[in-house]
Amino acid sequence: GAVVSQHPSRVICKSGTSVKIECRSLDFQATTMFWYRQFPKKSLMLMATSNEGSKATYEQGVEKDKFLINHASLTLSTLTVTSAHPEDSSFYICSALRQEAWGYTFGSGTRLTVV
Amino acid sequence: DAKTTQPPSMDCAEGRAANLPCNHSTISGNEYVYWYRQIHSQGPQYIIHGLKNNETNEMASLIITEDRKSSTLILPHATLRDTAVYYCIVRVSGSARQLTFGSGTQLTVLP
Repeated sequence: GAVVSQHPSRVICKSGTSVKIECRSLDFQATTMFWYRQFPKKSLMLMATSNEGSKATYEQGVEKDKFLINHASLTLSTLTVTSAHPEDSSFYICSALRQEAWGYTFGSGTRLTVV
Repeated sequence: DAKTTQPPSMDCAEGRAANLPCNHSTISGNEYVYWYRQIHSQGPQYIIHGLKNNETNEMASLIITEDRKSSTLILPHATLRDTAVYYCIVRVSGSARQLTFGSGTQLTVLP
């Protein structure tokens, strides 16, 4: 149990376009989800915390207008990278918090390449 | 959350035990030790966690020192598929805050 599905696994987009990444908890409800970004050979860095039904909380230095997060249901959070630029190319990972059996489950990640 | 210190890299021969150390000298009494691993280009995977007693599951064993200032993750019979970055994280159970990742240990299992 406790599976988090993240799609797409990899995407290539042109500069200036927007890309949406989905994160779904398949067999549990997640009131809280987290979005991380990971650059090559670096650790995961938290971008934002997403709470169902409310606005996301962004970490310092992360532009909320560029990285739009929506958590409209207890099983789905989305991250939209707007007006993507090559420097946004990275590995994006979501995580869902299981509160009833406390623990974190991670998605498989999305490799974004902006050309 | 208490800070953790891990060696940046380790090698292990296939079939042998891999012992990954973690120092967490500032750990508080209500903080657990969690271990996750990240295989290349995948999301992190939960391995094991413990408070003060040693723990074992189908993946690994966790040995926590009596003073709780350090711990060791043991993979009893490492395989090539265990090659990954292993993260030791210390935090309070039940918190709704994020997991904070340090730099971890790159474990390379050699054939």
